[in-house]
Amino acid sequence: TQLLEQSPQFLSIQEGENLTVYCNSSSVFSSLQWYRQEPGEGPVLLVTVVTGGEVKKLKRLTFQFGDARKDSSLHITAAQPGDTGLYLCAGANNAGKSTFGDGTTLTVKP
Amino acid sequence: DAGVIQSPRHEVTEMGQEVTLRCKPISGHNSLFWYRQTMMRGLELLIYFNNNVPIDDSGMPEDRFSAKMPNASFSTLKIQPSEPRDSAVYFCASSTEVRQSSNYGYTFGSGTRLTVV
Repeated sequence: TQLLEQSPQFLSIQEGENLTVYCNSSSVFSSLQWYRQEPGEGPVLLVTVVTGGEVKKLKRLTFQFGDARKDSSLHITAAQPGDTGLYLCAGANNAGKSTFGDGTTLTVKP
Repeated sequence: DAGVIQSPRHEVTEMGQEVTLRCKPISGHNSLFWYRQTMMRGLELLIYFNNNVPIDDSGMPEDRFSAKMPNASFSTLKIQPSEPRDSAVYFCASSTEVRQSSNYGYTFGSGTRLTVV
C-alpha cells in the first residue's frame, strides 16, 4: 500500500498570509493530483503533475512535484477566505490507481 | 455537463436494512470509482470499474458490500445488511480511462451521507 502523508494536518491563518502544505511518500508516483474539498461536497480537482520537478501555477496557487516524484507541495500566496477547505493530494501508481492523503484543513480568517 | 450525479444525498436507515447508493458518471468517462470518507480513515477506495468491468475490489470491506455497473451510465453500491460502522460519506467519481501513467484526475460527485442507526 502506498501511503501519503500530508502536513500540516490543520492550518489557520489570516487573510493575506502565504502558506505551504506538503505531501510526502516513500513511493514513486506516475502522477499526483491536488484536490480541494468544501463541506458537504466532493473533492474538486485543482491540478495534475506528471514530470519530476514540474511546477504548475493556478492563479495564487503554485504546485510542485518533487524531482523523484515521491513528494509534492502546494503554496498559496496572499490567502483569501475563499481558499478555506480541505486540501487533498492523491498519488497514482503505474496502474493508474490513486491513493489519497488524509488532507490539510485550511482556515483563512478575514 | 451535469457532472457526476449521486443519489440520494442523505440516507438514514436502521441497522440490518439494505441500502442502495446510485451514481451516474460523466458521459464519455469509462472509469468509475466508489470511495468512502470518514474522519478516522479519510478517503478509501472501495472498488473501481473500467468499461463497466470491476477491476479492483480489494477495498470492499466485506461481503455485505457489493457494487455493479450494468452499463456505462449507471452504477450502484449496495450494503446488505447495513451496520452502524458503515456510517460515512460515500463518493462516486469518474474519469477518462485510467491506465498506466495516464491518470489525470477524477471528477467526484457530491456524495451520499449515510447514517445507520
